[in-house]
Parts: sequence; structure tokens; C-alpha cells
Amino acid sequence: GQQLNQSPQSMFIQEGEDVSMNCTSSSIFNTWLWYKQDPGEGPVLLIALYKAGELTSNGRLTAQFGITRKDSFLNISASIPSDVGIYFCAGQLGAGKSTFGDGTTLTVKP
Amino acid sequence: DTGVSQDPRHKITKRGQNVTFRCDPISEHNRLYWYRQTLGQGPEFLTYFQNEAQLEKSRLLSDRFSAERPKGSFSTLEIQRTEQGDSAMYLCASSLAAQNTEAFFGQGTRLTVV
Repeated sequence: GQQLNQSPQSMFIQEGEDVSMNCTSSSIFNTWLWYKQDPGEGPVLLIALYKAGELTSNGRLTAQFGITRKDSFLNISASIPSDVGIYFCAGQLGAGKSTFGDGTTLTVKP
Repeated sequence: DTGVSQDPRHKITKRGQNVTFRCDPISEHNRLYWYRQTLGQGPEFLTYFQNEAQLEKSRLLSDRFSAERPKGSFSTLEIQRTEQGDSAMYLCASSLAAQNTEAFFGQGTRLTVV
């Protein structure tokens, strides 16, 4: 079945630094989604991308839908301590069912 | 409406017992999804409903699992004869049945089978 490779697996950064993470797939998706999950909670939607090449921002977050439809990246600028958590990418092909990557764990040192 | 609601938040059960979880979606959403998440992994799709119809089931959904959405509103997920391997976070999400629509997740039910 479809699998998403998310990298890096974990990141340790200093507060104020920029962060970049990405997601690649062996097959195409029609929608890319980025979620953040805190321990013991459900994923919270950050950004949704619907068109190949689309670049979308949400505050300090910017994400792009790769032109091949097989990849996406998420950038976080000027990281703050509350950015700590696990970031998941998810691809959708139809009917809203999502295939998730295994997450990037972000640690921000003050 | 405050979002997707799941109950209970935590459940500890003995191996072999049956458990049932409930999900209340965002009220105007007609699609409802169940996912399972184990430690260190992303959520894995189990099944989804459009209104009351169950339209797709993953091969992860063994015959010990059954999901229902009888009136097209809330949904239940039942696991019969639980096994230790069933220990996971069970997540519910809902969305509109329309193009370009994203799913919103509940807080999940953490199941521990002892």
C-alpha cells in the first residue's frame, strides 16, 4: 500500500531557529495535510494543501505541495518552546482517508 | 460545537474482555473515520462512514472489530475478545463529504489491555 517517508525522525533546535521537515511518497496524492500532535492528544490540523505546487502559510508555518504530487515540506520559522511536539504529514487520494507518515519529533531548547 | 468528542479518554481492560468506544463528530460533518495509533507511529486508517453507511474497511480491522454509525451522527467502535496487541490510541476524525476537505481529530481513546 501507500507509504509516506517523513524526515527527519527527530530534531533538536534552539529557540529562534528555523525548522524544515519533509515527506515523500512512492505514489501521488491529491491533498497533503500537516498535523501537530501533543502527548496524549489527537492530531491538530496545521495546514492543508490541495494543488500541486501550492505554497500556503499559517503564521510562522509554511508548507508546499510538491509539483510531482509525491512530496511536501513544512517550514517553521523563528521556533518557540510551544512548537515542541510531533509533526505528521498525511496524504489523501480520495474520500478523505489519510495515509500518515511516522512523524518528526521536534524539541526546542530555550 | 467544540469539535470531535471521544469517550472514554482512557480504558484499561483485561485480555479477553470486550470494549466499546464512542465518537461524536462535528455536527455538520457527514464523514467519520476511525484510526489506530501505536507508540512512535502515525495514525493508521481503520474504517470510515459517510452518513450511516460504512464505505471502507482496512485489513487492519479484524473480525473482532466492529464499527457502527446507526443514525449517521455518533459512532461506536467495539473490540471483542481484546488482545494485548490491541493496546493503542484509537482516534476518531470527521469531515465534510466534499472535494478539498480536511479531517479534524478528536482527542482519542487510549486503550491498555493487561
